[in-house]
Amino acid sequence: GAVVSQHPSWVICKSGTSVKIECRSLDFQATTMFWYRQFPKQSLMLMATSNEGSKATYEQGVEKDKFLINHASLTLSTLTVTSAHPEDSSFYICSAKQRLNEKLFFGSGTQLSVL
Amino acid sequence: SQQGEEDPQALSIQEGENATMNCSYKTSINNLQWYRQNSGRGLVHLILIRSNEREKHSGRLRVTLDTSKKSSSLLITASRAADTASYFCATGVSGGYNKLIFGAGTRLAVHP
Repeated sequence: GAVVSQHPSWVICKSGTSVKIECRSLDFQATTMFWYRQFPKQSLMLMATSNEGSKATYEQGVEKDKFLINHASLTLSTLTVTSAHPEDSSFYICSAKQRLNEKLFFGSGTQLSVL
Repeated sequence: SQQGEEDPQALSIQEGENATMNCSYKTSINNLQWYRQNSGRGLVHLILIRSNEREKHSGRLRVTLDTSKKSSSLLITASRAADTASYFCATGVSGGYNKLIFGAGTRLAVHP
């Protein structure tokens, strides 16, 4: 149980376009979802926390207008990278949390390459 | 912002040896968790230790927590080539939405 599906696994896009990444909890209700960004051989940097039905809480330094997060249901959160630039190229990972469970369940990540 | 630091950054050992990774953190925590990440993939939860616990075991894993020193260690005994991965500690921060802040990670390579 506790499977989180994230797609696409990888995406290549042109500079200036927008990219949407989906994160779904397949067999549980995710009261909270987290979006992380990871550079090669580095740790995960928390970007934002989203709760179903409410606005996402962004970490300091993360542009909310650039990284749009929507958590429309208890099983789906999306991250849209708007007007992508090469510096947005990175590995993006989502994770989901059940109510009263302190563990996080992670998606398999999305490698974004902006040309 | 990063909460913790881990050492070593990289560890290379032979199969059968034990691997020890350390994690230090800065603020008060509710719990500390260890995760594993295979290259280019998501993370998998390994073990959770609460702030009032000092040691915990799960199979070949042993985790210790010293809240006075704000540090934790993960020991993998009798390592296998399949244990090759990056290992991250993550601290559960009180308040807000119980978000986890990850340490820098240790890249473990186990050679057959």
